[in-house]
Formats: sequence, C-alpha cells, structure tokens
Amino acid sequence: EVQLVESGGGLVQPGGSLRLSCAASGFSFSGYWMYWVRQAPGKGLVWVSRISSDGSITNYADSVKGRFTISRDNAKNTLYLQMNSLRAEDTAVYYCARKNGGFDYWGQGTLVTVSS
Amino acid sequence: QSVLTQPPSVSGAPGQRVTISCTGSSSNIGAGYDVHWYQQLPGTAPKLLIYGNTNRPSGVPDRFSGSKSGTSASLAITGLQAEDEADYYCQSYDSSLSGSTFGGGTKLTVL
Repeated sequence: EVQLVESGGGLVQPGGSLRLSCAASGFSFSGYWMYWVRQAPGKGLVWVSRISSDGSITNYADSVKGRFTISRDNAKNTLYLQMNSLRAEDTAVYYCARKNGGFDYWGQGTLVTVSS
Repeated sequence: QSVLTQPPSVSGAPGQRVTISCTGSSSNIGAGYDVHWYQQLPGTAPKLLIYGNTNRPSGVPDRFSGSKSGTSASLAITGLQAEDEADYYCQSYDSSLSGSTFGGGTKLTVL
C-alpha cells in the first residue's frame, strides 16, 4: 500500500526555520518526481516545489524561491522541505504528493503556523 | 490570483448534472499540457479524480468525466449525490512558471 506521511510542522516565529519530512512507503520512491503543495486555512491548493526522481532537478514557486529548499534521500525513501525566513503568509497545511500523471497519492498534511 | 480560473461555486440537486470549468492560457492548457482534477472533502487531503484530461483512476465512479478543448477543460458530474459535496480543483503544468498550477477551486453544493 502506498503511503506518504508528513512530519515536522508546528508553530514558528516569523523569520524562523522548519524542516518538513515526507516518509514514503509501498512504492519505488526513487522512480517518481515528488512535489510539495500547500493550502492556507480556508484557501485553495498552491504548488510549492518539485524535485525530479534522482534529485537533480528542482523548481520552486516564486513565493518561496530563495527561502525554501526541496531535497530527497532515495536511500531513506524520504522527501524534505527546508523552510527558512518564514513569513506569516507561509502558514498552511503542507502536503507531499507523488506525481504519476496527476498527483495520485497525497500525504495527510502537516500544519505550519508562522506567528509571534 | 490563480493562473487557472474556476467558478467559485456550483450547485445542483441530487440526480442532476453539473459541470465545472477550468480556463487557462497558452502557457498551460493551451500549450497542450494535461489537466488533472481533484476532489477535496472537508478536512481531508485531495484525491485524484481525473488524470490526463479524461482518465479516471481505479475506483472513481464513471459519473465523473473530464474533457479538454483549446485553453479550457471541464469536469462533469452526473447523477449528483450528497457525498459529492466537496471542493474541486483543476491542475496543469505552466511553462512560464516552470511548475504546476492549480485552479482556485470550486465548491460544489448538493441542494
């Protein structure tokens, strides 16, 4: 059974940092592009970042470019999102998702709250 | 402001048919990139409903169908059921963003 389990969310002050993790199981993790998508409270889905199957290609939404870094460890079947210089507008549930045509599997999400 | 435009809300009575539009541009849908649709029930993660414009993943009822033409795509739901009440999102790739983009979402209310 395919599973994606996010962790690492929490309350952080503006300007602070957090690292999210997404543990994958039930499929060949190294064979898929992986994505981070976020959803602010009461708002829609927003693409944040993506990484190629071997980690050599990464892309970011303009709103997080220069502040967030996506990475993966295929040996550990884990996807990461390092978030620095966090702002109030980064407050959201962060989902990791597997790209297979569309996003066919999603994690349950982890809530990041940026507030003083 | 989303790159893909969806109506904020649609509604229909049980058993009726509704459609949700997704309008893009020449850098996304019009460029030939696939459109995918997701259903999000309250408090849950999104679920893939339609992939590659018209294809249903295993387990998705054939009441759900997708289409694409030019710079737009549509999701149709026939035989509306109370359990279909949810938020629906379209998604595609945008070459000007070098990444994925979602529509703003459409809230479906079953009257």
